[in-house]
Amino acid sequence: ELKVEQNPLFLSMQEGKNYTIYCNYSTTSDRLYWYRQDPGKSLESLFVLLSNGAVKQEGRLMASLDTKARLSTLHITAAVHDLSATYFCAVDINSGYALNFGKGTSLLVTP
Amino acid sequence: GAVVSQHPSWVICKSGTSVKIECRSLDFQATTMFWYRQFPKQSLMLMATSNEGSKATYEQGVEKDKFLINHASLTLSTLTVTSAHPEDSSFYICSAWGYNYGYTFGSGTRLTVV
Repeated sequence: ELKVEQNPLFLSMQEGKNYTIYCNYSTTSDRLYWYRQDPGKSLESLFVLLSNGAVKQEGRLMASLDTKARLSTLHITAAVHDLSATYFCAVDINSGYALNFGKGTSLLVTP
Repeated sequence: GAVVSQHPSWVICKSGTSVKIECRSLDFQATTMFWYRQFPKQSLMLMATSNEGSKATYEQGVEKDKFLINHASLTLSTLTVTSAHPEDSSFYICSAWGYNYGYTFGSGTRLTVV
């Protein structure tokens, strides 16, 4: 069974600060996905990481993937309130198979 | 980009009635459709996987007679919650997978059973 673990599950941070969310998974996979979910909404795709060493950046968010360590990180730079949301990482064991989700990290950015 | 239209966005139904949720891929062919449910402040739980023209594969603990999934075409999949009860109240999300499109999520359906 593929397990995906995120930490922390809850994160309260001040505006302007940096922080990293970690995502570990239990089996070999070269594909990792990051999503954002706002309250009452569905998932918004942030990043798709498809190879070892992949790094992608969008605005204040940067994601990376280390398939050997089975670890992905989502780094937040100079957080702003608009980043407050729940962030999920997900892994599939093969293309077209169901995504396995972490429990999510609930992020609150405060002034 | 790829779009999956999910309807309705929210529905309130009486206990014992059935509700149908529809997911339609608008600009690509969805080879596979996944159905998830999400309880408040929890992650997404996979309910079932369906391939066009085949019977759905249900996850352990999901009643296939209660959650009927139909994937009649490459662009349409439906989830019918039969004889709904308050404990079925949840947020249901579909996800379509297509070659060259990856995973695309619907906007979700908030089901409340009263």
